[in-house]
Amino acid sequence: SQTIHQWPATLVQPVGSPLSLECTVEGTSNPNLYWYRQAAGRGLQLLFYSVGIGQISSEVPQNLSASRPQDRQFILSSKKLLLSDSGFYLCAWSQQTSGTGELFFGEGSRLTVL
Amino acid sequence: GDSVTQMEGPVTLSEEAFLTINCTYTATGYPSLFWYVQYPGEGLQLLLKATKADDKGSNKGFEATYRKETTSFHLEKGSVQVSDSAVYFCALSRYNQGGKLIFGQGTELSVKP
Repeated sequence: SQTIHQWPATLVQPVGSPLSLECTVEGTSNPNLYWYRQAAGRGLQLLFYSVGIGQISSEVPQNLSASRPQDRQFILSSKKLLLSDSGFYLCAWSQQTSGTGELFFGEGSRLTVL
Repeated sequence: GDSVTQMEGPVTLSEEAFLTINCTYTATGYPSLFWYVQYPGEGLQLLLKATKADDKGSNKGFEATYRKETTSFHLEKGSVQVSDSAVYFCALSRYNQGGKLIFGQGTELSVKP
């Protein structure tokens, strides 16, 4: 069966510090991968999605970047964090051949920028 | 563009009460529709889905019917439990959008014993 893991689960970082959140998927190949952000009391905002290694699409301009160095690995990064980067970050995957677009989510990473 | 609108929360109910969470969408064509649930401190889990008009998705006592004429996908449960307390998200997906989901803002449900 397929599983998705992301880490770290919780992170407290000072403003201006770098960020790296990692997500890996097991049990499937060539998945679509996604990073969503959930700000406190708000819905989910799609940040990045990827349909293959090295292929990244950004949905909103921001302070963050994403990379996909391997088929089942998706990394969210920042060189200098801002206070507004605080939130709950969710990685997700979907099958490329699925017509329904169902997403499977990781456990989430809570980032607090102080 | 495509969008999803959910009823405002939080919703507070007593155990065994009837639940309705309204969801309407705006999209061209025939999107797939989903309800996801997020328990405190966790990621999202798929609760149910419907892929075409008049389909009814159901799971764990929850139901939602894809109504194209009213562009709605309301979530219902006949008798809620304390364990149903969570945030519920309505979402849509279009196949030609690479599987990306568009989410509503979420509705927090709190069930009291």
